[in-house]
Amino acid sequence: AQTVTQSQPEMSVQEAETVTLSCTYDTSESDYYLFWYKQPPSRQMILVIRQEAYKQQNATENRFSVNFQKAAKSFSLKISDSQLGDAAMYFCAYSGGYQKVTFGIGTKLQVIP
Amino acid sequence: DGGITQSPKYLFRKEGQNVTLSCEQNLNHDAMYWYRQDPGQGLRLIYYSQIVNDFQKGDIAEGYSVSREKKESFPLTVTSAQKNPTAFYLCASSIERDGPYNEQFFGPGTRLTVL
Repeated sequence: AQTVTQSQPEMSVQEAETVTLSCTYDTSESDYYLFWYKQPPSRQMILVIRQEAYKQQNATENRFSVNFQKAAKSFSLKISDSQLGDAAMYFCAYSGGYQKVTFGIGTKLQVIP
Repeated sequence: DGGITQSPKYLFRKEGQNVTLSCEQNLNHDAMYWYRQDPGQGLRLIYYSQIVNDFQKGDIAEGYSVSREKKESFPLTVTSAQKNPTAFYLCASSIERDGPYNEQFFGPGTRLTVL
């Protein structure tokens, strides 16, 4: 079974600084998708960024980028120029196609003004 | 605007009662999902449906039931057999019938409290 591990229960970052959230996963598949979801205090989950395993280029979405290391099964999220609105729970997720999506337990990010 | 709605936002139930959580989507998505969220445990899959009139058990289906009579609706019933039902419940949908390769769109959630 696939597992997703987020080893940082909580992180903090100064406003305008950069922070990296870690995620590792375990799978025997070669083709899969990885996601980062954000859950702000309103609890409305939204997709931050998505990475397809067969693509070597790291995905980027404005201030959000990932460091995808397929061999190491690592998928970290970097948030640049952190803003107060980035404060939220961040969930790493794995999808292997026909199988269900597996979520990590989340990392709570605090942004300090 | 397209999206997913869940109702009610807050729900209180007495022990021994069944209760049904509503989930409706107008995104024309084939697949729908129910998750349970507890502090420190992330999201755990209860049930999912990839097509009308068909659904599959997730990791923690015991004490729950679902139906998928219409493409846009996927209600979840929390039965009295669920021993610890107090939690936050999230409904989601995705466009892909054959696997959730695409992003999942989430509803705003329902907070269920058993009194």
